[in-house]
Amino acid sequence: GAVVSQHPSRVICKSGTSVKIECRSLDFQATTMFWYRQFPKQSLMLMATSNEGSKATYEQGVEKDKFLINHASLTLSTLTVTSAHPEDSSFYICSANSGGLAGEQYFGPGTRLTVT
Amino acid sequence: QKEVEQNSGPLSVPEGAIASLNCTYSDRGSQSFFWYRQYSGKSPELIMSIYSNGDKEDGRFTAQLNKASQYVSLLIRDSQPSDSATYLCYRGGNQFYFGTGTSLTVIP
Repeated sequence: GAVVSQHPSRVICKSGTSVKIECRSLDFQATTMFWYRQFPKQSLMLMATSNEGSKATYEQGVEKDKFLINHASLTLSTLTVTSAHPEDSSFYICSANSGGLAGEQYFGPGTRLTVT
Repeated sequence: QKEVEQNSGPLSVPEGAIASLNCTYSDRGSQSFFWYRQYSGKSPELIMSIYSNGDKEDGRFTAQLNKASQYVSLLIRDSQPSDSATYLCYRGGNQFYFGTGTSLTVIP
C-alpha cells in the first residue's frame, strides 16, 4: 500500500513556541491531505482539509490562525501550531488521498505533541 | 444526517467468538468502503476494502456490503485479544467520510 510519513513522531515544546509537523506521501501524489487531532480515548477529529495549491479548509471551531496549513506540493503538507499552549498537547495525524476512484485514505504514523 | 454512522459500542466479545461491526451510510451513490483499525496511541491502518455488493473475505476478516440497505459491516472470526482496537468505517472519496469508530475488546 501507499506510504505516508510524518515528522517528527514526537515533540516537546515550551508554551508560546511554534511547532511544525510535516506530512509526506512517499510513493504517490496526494491531491488532498487531511489533518486530524486526537485526544486520549476520544475519536479522530478532522481539523482541516489541505488541497495542493489552494487554501486549506478548516472545520468549525478550528482556529486557522493558530493551526497554519501549507500544502506546497503534491507530496508535502505541513501543519504549524503557532503559540502552542498545554491544551494543544495531542496526537496529530495526517492522511493523504491519492485522488483515485476508490478514494482510500493513507494515514501517517502520527505526531505526539506535548506542550509544557 | 451524518454521511457515515457506526454503532458506537463499546463491544466486548470473548476470545474465539465472532465480532460484528456495523456501519450505515446515507449517499446511495457511494462506491467504495474501507475498514480501518486503530490501536490505542497509534494511527489508523487500513485492513479491508470493499466495492461490490456481497462479502469479501481476507483471513479472519469478512467485509459485507449491502448497497440496497446502505450498510457495510465487518466480521472478525475467531477473535483474538490482539484484535482489541477501535474500528473505523470509511466511505471512499475526497472528503472526510469516517464513522466515529467502534471500540472492540476481546476478552481472553
